[in-house]
Amino acid sequence: AQSVTQLGSHVSVSEGALVLLRCNYSSSVPPYLFWYVQYPNQGLQLLLKYTSAATLVKGINGFEAEFKKSETSFHLTKPSAHMSDAAEYFCAVIPNPWNSGNTPLVFGKGTRLSVIA
Amino acid sequence: EAGVAQSPRYKIIEKRQSVAFWCNPISGHATLYWYQQILGQGPKLLIQFQNNGVVDDSQLPKDRFSAERLKGVDSTLKIQPAKLEDSAVYLCASSFVSGEDYGYTFGSGTRLTVV
Repeated sequence: AQSVTQLGSHVSVSEGALVLLRCNYSSSVPPYLFWYVQYPNQGLQLLLKYTSAATLVKGINGFEAEFKKSETSFHLTKPSAHMSDAAEYFCAVIPNPWNSGNTPLVFGKGTRLSVIA
Repeated sequence: EAGVAQSPRYKIIEKRQSVAFWCNPISGHATLYWYQQILGQGPKLLIQFQNNGVVDDSQLPKDRFSAERLKGVDSTLKIQPAKLEDSAVYLCASSFVSGEDYGYTFGSGTRLTVV
């Protein structure tokens, strides 16, 4: 079964410090990968996605992620954390995007990011 | 473009009662999903519709959960009778596929508390 693993259920960084949220996937074929952010009592908002084009993907709010096939990783980074980045972050995968038609996203368990002033 | 609409936003019920959630997807999105998100976990797929047909309901607890998507647009998810462990956020999403581009849009969710 395809899956995605987020290392660290809680990450805490100081304001202005580098943000690194880890995501590894297991897949027999190159998947499509997504990062979502969820603020309290809100739905999921797409940060960025990798769909087999450039391996370095830039998203909203200064976030970016790099697809590394050799490491089966898709870590999310931001050079300088802001207080408003405090939220829950989810990595998600489309296990086999080469099947025709829509297929549901499979989510990791999430990483809660805290930003300390 | 209007987003995915869900209602109600919050619901508190007693165990063994019934509850229903409503979702209106983005216009033109043929595929609709219901996810369950338990506190501290990632969303888990309950059911996927393609137009008004069920594609995957393998993780839907069919003894108490039911869902329908009449006319291939709006959808309702029902729980009857509810259990304490059903307390969660229920997210609706719709999606499109265009070539290699996949787009998923999530609603704000319905937070269910079963007491």
